[in-house]
Amino acid sequence: GAVVSQHPSRVICKSGTSVKIECRSLDFQATTMFWYRQFPKQSLMLMATSNEGSKATYEQGVEKDKFLINHASLTLSTLTVTSAHPEDSSFYICSARVDGMSNQPQHFGDGTRLSIL
Amino acid sequence: AQRVTQPEKLLSVFKGAPVELKCNYSYSGSPELFWYVQYSRQRLQLLLRHISRESIKGFTADLNKGETSFHLKKPFAQEEDSAMYYCAPSRSNDYKLSFGAGTTVTVRA
Repeated sequence: GAVVSQHPSRVICKSGTSVKIECRSLDFQATTMFWYRQFPKQSLMLMATSNEGSKATYEQGVEKDKFLINHASLTLSTLTVTSAHPEDSSFYICSARVDGMSNQPQHFGDGTRLSIL
Repeated sequence: AQRVTQPEKLLSVFKGAPVELKCNYSYSGSPELFWYVQYSRQRLQLLLRHISRESIKGFTADLNKGETSFHLKKPFAQEEDSAMYYCAPSRSNDYKLSFGAGTTVTVRA
């Protein structure tokens, strides 16, 4: 149980394109999901917390207009990288917590490798 | 400021030898501590957490609040333990995880 699906796994696109990444909790509901970014050979950096039915909360230094987050249902959060540029190329990972149960760990997706040409 | 330190970037041990991955944290309040593992070509997954006080795949981790450490140990490493390991404290009020830099463990035959 507690599977998180992330799609697509890989995106290659031209500079200026907007890219949407989906994060789905397949067998559980998740009011809260998280988006991370990982640079090569570095650790995961939390970008934002996605909250179902309300605005996402962004970590310091993360541009909310650049990285749009929508959490419209209890099983889906989307991250849109708007007008992507080469410096946005990175590995993006989402995670989700199981609703209704305290002390639950985060369950992670497989990640999306974004390459902007 | 919240900080997680994993001092060893790379750790290489022989099969059957003990392995210890260090983790020190600087966190306000009483964080919950996790170890996550990422095997080659797989997603990040939970290995263990301090509140469970259990051994997973032979690994244990003891929370030492005095030293603010949560070191991960296994007495006899196996080749399948080769992976990237992350120490990650979490605040109990918002469940946000802060990841350490990670330690790559290689277990050699």
